Amino acid sequence: AQRVTQPEKLLSVFKGAPVELKCNYSYSGSPELFWYVQYSRQRLQLLLRHISRESIKGFTADLNKGETSFHLKKPFAQEEDSAMYYCALRYQAGTALIFGKGTTLSVSS
Amino acid sequence: SQTIHQWPATLVQPVGSPLSLECTVEGTSNPNLYWYRQAAGRGLQLLFYSVGIGQISSEVPQNLSASRPQDRQFILSSKKLLLSDSGFYLCAWSLPGANVLTFGAGSRLTVL
Repeated sequence: AQRVTQPEKLLSVFKGAPVELKCNYSYSGSPELFWYVQYSRQRLQLLLRHISRESIKGFTADLNKGETSFHLKKPFAQEEDSAMYYCALRYQAGTALIFGKGTTLSVSS
Repeated sequence: SQTIHQWPATLVQPVGSPLSLECTVEGTSNPNLYWYRQAAGRGLQLLFYSVGIGQISSEVPQNLSASRPQDRQFILSSKKLLLSDSGFYLCAWSLPGANVLTFGAGSRLTVL
């Protein structure tokens, strides 16, 4: 079965430090991968998707099919990055997104 | 523009009581609709999704059911709540064939 694994429940870093939120998936085909973010008292929202190959709020994520990973990275964390981050996978068109358990990122000064 | 509404925002119910959570989408037609549950330590779990009126797919066996009586209305129900049904329920929509979900504000259910 398709699965998304986020091994860290909580990641705490200092402002200005690099951040990497890990995401691994299990699927043998070519999935679509996403990162969603939920800031305090806000709705869960899309952060970025691998097909766009874009940088949003300084975050990037590269799909590594060999390692079946889609880690989220930012070179210099900011306090406003503190939030819950979910990695998600769609394994074929017309199916729903499968989410990981989420990682809480805490950035302190 | 499209908007998604969920209600009630919070609900406290006794074990064994019924449940009805509603979700409506405005500003679009024939959306795909989803119910997810966000529970501590379990992440975001897909419960049901629907690609059209009366078409419901269930992802996990459970004490809950879903219905889509109208194109833009998605209802999550239970006849008898269990303690384990407590959680934060999120409704979401997407355009048919699209891969981006837009989430509602959520409904927090506490079963006592």
